[in-house]
Amino acid sequence: EVQLVESGGGLVQPGRSLKLSCAASGFTFSNYYMAWVRQAPKKGLEWVATISTSGSRTYYPDSVKGRFTISRDNAKSSLYLQMNSLKSEDTATYYCARHEYVFAYWGQGTLVTVSS
Amino acid sequence: DIRMTQSPASLSASLGETVNIECLASEDIYSDLAWYQQKPGKSPQLLIYNANSLQNGVPSRFSGSGSGTQYSLKINSLQSEDVATYFCQQYNNYPNTFGAGTKLELK
Repeated sequence: EVQLVESGGGLVQPGRSLKLSCAASGFTFSNYYMAWVRQAPKKGLEWVATISTSGSRTYYPDSVKGRFTISRDNAKSSLYLQMNSLKSEDTATYYCARHEYVFAYWGQGTLVTVSS
Repeated sequence: DIRMTQSPASLSASLGETVNIECLASEDIYSDLAWYQQKPGKSPQLLIYNANSLQNGVPSRFSGSGSGTQYSLKINSLQSEDVATYFCQQYNNYPNTFGAGTKLELK
């Protein structure tokens, strides 16, 4: 059974940093692209980042480019999102997802609140 | 960026009714279209990919259709467990983009 478990969310002040983690199990992690997708409270879904199988290629929308960095450790079956210079509009639940063109599997999400 | 316009924003229907949700892309996405269901307090779940292919385990009362810029999700014989918000997503181009969602409630 595919499982994705996010951690690392919490309350952080504007301008500060936070790193999210996602532990994957139930599949060969190194064979799949992985992604982060976020959802602001009572809002829609926004793709945040994608990383290739080896980690050599990464993709971001303009809204987070230069501030967020996605990475992975295939030996640990883990995905990460380093978020710097956080803004209030980054407040959201962040989901880890297996990215196969579509987001085929999702974690339960971790809430990030950016507020002073 | 490709803009995905979803309609209606909310929908109220009775048990057993047929429901249709529409998604309009701002340019041709060549059927690179997925539908997701998100129940209250839960993560999104993939229903449909490639515009009309049913994900494993999804009930056959769900179906997708469309091409070019216009797509739709149909739910036949609405069940109580179908109460959820539905999102479309294009994956033809980066950035992958989602529709704003359709909230489906029981009448």
